[in-house]
Amino acid sequence: AQTVTQSQPEMSVQEAETVTLSCTYDTSESDYYLFWYKQPPSRQMILVIRQEAYKQQNATENRFSVNFQKAAKSFSLKISDSQLGDAAMYFCAYRSAGSGNTPLVFGKGTRLSVIA
Amino acid sequence: ETGVTQTPRHLVMGMTNKKSLKCEQHLGHNAMYWYKQSAKKPLELMFVYNFKEQTENNSVPSRFSPECPNSSHLFLHLHTLQPEDSALYLCASSQDNWLAGDPDTQYFGPGTRLTVL
Repeated sequence: AQTVTQSQPEMSVQEAETVTLSCTYDTSESDYYLFWYKQPPSRQMILVIRQEAYKQQNATENRFSVNFQKAAKSFSLKISDSQLGDAAMYFCAYRSAGSGNTPLVFGKGTRLSVIA
Repeated sequence: ETGVTQTPRHLVMGMTNKKSLKCEQHLGHNAMYWYKQSAKKPLELMFVYNFKEQTENNSVPSRFSPECPNSSHLFLHLHTLQPEDSALYLCASSQDNWLAGDPDTQYFGPGTRLTVL
């Protein structure tokens, strides 16, 4: 079974600075997808960014980018120019690339605080 | 994000009560999910429905009973719950895009905060 590990329960960053959240995963599969979800205090999970394992290029979405190291099974999230609205729980998630709707496997999350 | 709605947002119930959680998705997706989120634990998948058919039951106790009458609605019927069942229950939906080579990103509702007394 796949597992996802987020080793940083809490992180903090100064407004306008850059922070990196780490995520590692364990799988024997070669094709899969990785996601970062954000859960602000309103509790609604929001997709931040996704990465297809077969793509070598790291995904980017505005201020959010990932460092995907397939051999190391590492998938970190970098937030640049941090804003107060970035404060939330961040979850790393894994999904197999099989046909059909395979479920997401989540890490325990990292709580990010943004300091003004 | 209003594509997935959940009601009620908060629910307090006794151990002998029967209640239901409702989820509705307005995204035209063909799969829906129930997750349980407890404090300091990873999100736990409970049930998966594809095209209204249950495809996964992740060893969930029988006091939780899902129902998917159509691809837009998903219910979670609760009866004789235990205090340890208190948690945030999240619904999600997705569209199988594997033929197009895209991941079927799951879209989440706001959750129902359940407290069992």
